[in-house]
Amino acid sequence: ETGVTQTPRHLVMGMTNKKSLKCEQHLGHNAMYWYKQSAKKPLELMFVYNFKEQTENNSVPSRFSPECPNSSHLFLHLHTLQPEDSALYLCASSQAQGTAGTQYFGPGTRLLVL
Amino acid sequence: ELKVEQNPLFLSMQEGKNYTIYCNYSTTSDRLYWYRQDPGKSLESLFVLLSNGAVKQEGRLMASLDTKARLSTLHITAAVHDLSATYFCAVDISYSGAGSYQLTFGKGTKLSVIP
Repeated sequence: ETGVTQTPRHLVMGMTNKKSLKCEQHLGHNAMYWYKQSAKKPLELMFVYNFKEQTENNSVPSRFSPECPNSSHLFLHLHTLQPEDSALYLCASSQAQGTAGTQYFGPGTRLLVL
Repeated sequence: ELKVEQNPLFLSMQEGKNYTIYCNYSTTSDRLYWYRQDPGKSLESLFVLLSNGAVKQEGRLMASLDTKARLSTLHITAAVHDLSATYFCAVDISYSGAGSYQLTFGKGTKLSVIP
């Protein structure tokens, strides 16, 4: 595997379900990010992790819970979601040196909440 | 609050024509990114512009940055169908110094190149 991978690629869940999204980066980067992309809004930054430590939580509802066990893996735990949470969830990673902070994105998980 | 505005949001152009996409932002920054997204796909990095007057070119695309005007442009030369995609600019104002960045994205410009 190369770059940034995400699983699953598609997910349908009911409002009472609990599920998790997984992201793995194979680039040796130190920072990882979760973004939400919905049809009606610009790409929104949700969470930032730097060397496994969460550095930003952009007013995201508590039904979204991130976890970063190491610099290569990032999870987004989902519970009691609402239909308006249906969106494409993108993971990204970046490195401070050498790439000018460019964020490399995974393919995304398309989530549908029924 | 940082605002990033792109225009136009939709652009339909004929093959062979030239056009420019504009990205304005509301707060001082010297770090701007352009990304491309194909339908159903993720974002692909195109350019990173790190200083006032920076210009980058790749194929038929050229990006520039004017930090004083808080404006970046993405110029398309002699468009071809393969350039059809959505183009996003993103601005970073909060580099932590330890390797993480916070990007604010524009809404994107959906480009359709018609044969």
